[in-house]
Amino acid sequence: SQTIHQWPATLVQPVGSPLSLECTVEGTSNPNLYWYRQAAGRGLQLLFYSVGIGQISSEVPQNLSASRPQDRQFILSSKKLLLSDSGFYLCAWSVYWGPPSMDEQYFGPGTRLTVT
Amino acid sequence: GNSVTQMEGPVTLSEEAFLTINCTYTATGYPSLFWYVQYPGEGLQLLLKATKADDKGSNKGFEATYRKETTSFHLEKGSVQVSDSAVYFCALGSAGGTSYGKLTFGQGTILTVHP
Repeated sequence: SQTIHQWPATLVQPVGSPLSLECTVEGTSNPNLYWYRQAAGRGLQLLFYSVGIGQISSEVPQNLSASRPQDRQFILSSKKLLLSDSGFYLCAWSVYWGPPSMDEQYFGPGTRLTVT
Repeated sequence: GNSVTQMEGPVTLSEEAFLTINCTYTATGYPSLFWYVQYPGEGLQLLLKATKADDKGSNKGFEATYRKETTSFHLEKGSVQVSDSAVYFCALGSAGGTSYGKLTFGQGTILTVHP
């Protein structure tokens, strides 16, 4: 069966410090991978998605970046954190089987980031 | 473009009450529809899904029917429990192709069930 891991679970970082959040997926190959941010415990904002190694698409311009060095590894980074980067970061995966595509995504447990 | 509109919350119910959370969508083609649930401090879990008109998704006593004529996918449960307290998200998939599996989410509805 497939599983998705995120770490760390919680993180407190000062403004201006770097960030690295990691997500890994087990039990599937060539997944689509996604990073979301959830502010104030409500709506989801898609930040990045990736359809393959080294292929990253950005949905929202900001001081965050993403990388996919391996098929099942997705990393979210920042060189200098802002207060507004605080939030709950969720990684998700999906596999496109062809039409009719279910498009269902499976989410990790999330990382709670507090920038102080 | 695609969009999802969810019933504004929060919704507060007593245990064993009937639940409806409205969800309507705008999309081209024949999208897949989903309900996700998020318990406090956790990631999202897929609750149920439907891929075509008149499909009914169901899980854990929750149901939702894909209504293409009204572009709706309302979530219902006949008798809620305290353990159903969570945030519920309606989401819209695509018909595949170059969408890369991206979902469009509603803003979420907070449900609180009291004993």
